[in-house]
Amino acid sequence: NAGVTQTPKFQVLKTGQSMTLQCAQDMNHEYMSWYRQDPGMGLRLIHYSVGAGITDQGEVPNGYNVSRSTTEDFPLRLLSAAPSQTSVYFCASSEMGQGYEQYFGPGTRLTVT
Amino acid sequence: DQQVKQNSPSLSVQEGRISILNCDYTNSMFDYFLWYKKYPAEGPTFLISISSIKDKNEDGRFTVFLNKSAKHLSLHIVPSQPGDSAVYFCAASAQIRETSGSRLTFGEGTQLTVNP
Repeated sequence: NAGVTQTPKFQVLKTGQSMTLQCAQDMNHEYMSWYRQDPGMGLRLIHYSVGAGITDQGEVPNGYNVSRSTTEDFPLRLLSAAPSQTSVYFCASSEMGQGYEQYFGPGTRLTVT
Repeated sequence: DQQVKQNSPSLSVQEGRISILNCDYTNSMFDYFLWYKKYPAEGPTFLISISSIKDKNEDGRFTVFLNKSAKHLSLHIVPSQPGDSAVYFCAASAQIRETSGSRLTFGEGTQLTVNP
């Protein structure tokens, strides 16, 4: 059982470049989300999705786009990378509703120079 | 506006003693609370949770206490073990509508170190 997978594990970008962080889950979860983790700031929600075709903004959505064409996949796009987007990114999934554990992927460490 | 706060960035305890990690929240709509544990280079993993209708939930060595009037929760680990050394995140959610219960707001995290 793969759970939540993320690729790549590490990425270095130059300012202005674009890229897509991939996230996939094999648990048929409706809810998926992206977080960024920065020192002293915990995990902050970027975007989330409550099902295929439905996405919404979290706390820090600026500079990021998402789409959800299938239940399994929830990619995060950086259209024009900035040094402020240097962070560790985590994807998570869960069943819909309160009381369900969120399963996290192993993370992608992104550096923007 | 940090709605969930963990004021202690780090905590160091001796093996076998109690570890107490604290968390405060400001949003009175939060009605479900969770603790996650994170090892370096891994994603967070769920540890324990509590609903606002309870004031205590226990799972083995881990107990979470909720004080709604003070908007405060704490995680107790007894006895602490070196393998418990990790970053612990407090998180909260509010079931305002059908789809909002899954959305979590996290605290900054507390690095727990358990010394042998």
